[in-house]
Amino acid sequence: GAVVSQHPSWVICKSGTSVKIECRSLDFQATTMFWYRQFPKQSLMLMATSNEGSKATYEQGVEKDKFLINHASLTLSTLTVTSAHPEDSSFYICSARDEANLGEQYFGPGTRLTVT
Amino acid sequence: GEDVEQSLFLSVREGDSSVINCTYTDSSSTYLYWYKQEPGAGLQLLTYIFSNMDMKQDQRLTVLLNKKDKHLSLRIADTQTGDSAIYFCADAHQAGTALIFGKGTTLSVSS
Repeated sequence: GAVVSQHPSWVICKSGTSVKIECRSLDFQATTMFWYRQFPKQSLMLMATSNEGSKATYEQGVEKDKFLINHASLTLSTLTVTSAHPEDSSFYICSARDEANLGEQYFGPGTRLTVT
Repeated sequence: GEDVEQSLFLSVREGDSSVINCTYTDSSSTYLYWYKQEPGAGLQLLTYIFSNMDMKQDQRLTVLLNKKDKHLSLRIADTQTGDSAIYFCADAHQAGTALIFGKGTTLSVSS
């Protein structure tokens, strides 16, 4: 079945540093990937839609200069949290759309970011 | 805006049936999903239903959809301790579009 991986699975960084999270579709190509954020005991909130070869589309209230998204290939999207602060600590989950399978969406295992 | 609501907690005994309920507001939703999330883990797709169906059964799972009332439920038969997790209801306009998630229902199964 379709598999999506994320790397790293968890990361701890200091305030002010930047962190890059990778989302890869392992056995299919994905022109569209989605980035979600989940706070403890909360639902997943869509942050942005990542489109291969073009700019990402951000949801209202999400700072595009803080959360940089790059979708440079059909199997990889990256989310960079720039100048991270403790309030950015969260669980970040990506999903990838498999166009060859009716556009079905597959989720990665998530990345837990802790900013100290 | 679009919204998906779920009850937050459900506690059952092992062997009983669990029913998790969900309501949504977007009448144009065409796909409705149930995901399971275990502590510290990602999302596992359990099942989904198209909006033109009213029931779908998959082994111990039964999904019921009342499109008129915009109500979706997930029934887990013979609930086991391994079913303890958070269950998310989500909807989408069509396959492959971003999902709108509910807050999740924490299912606790006691032996």
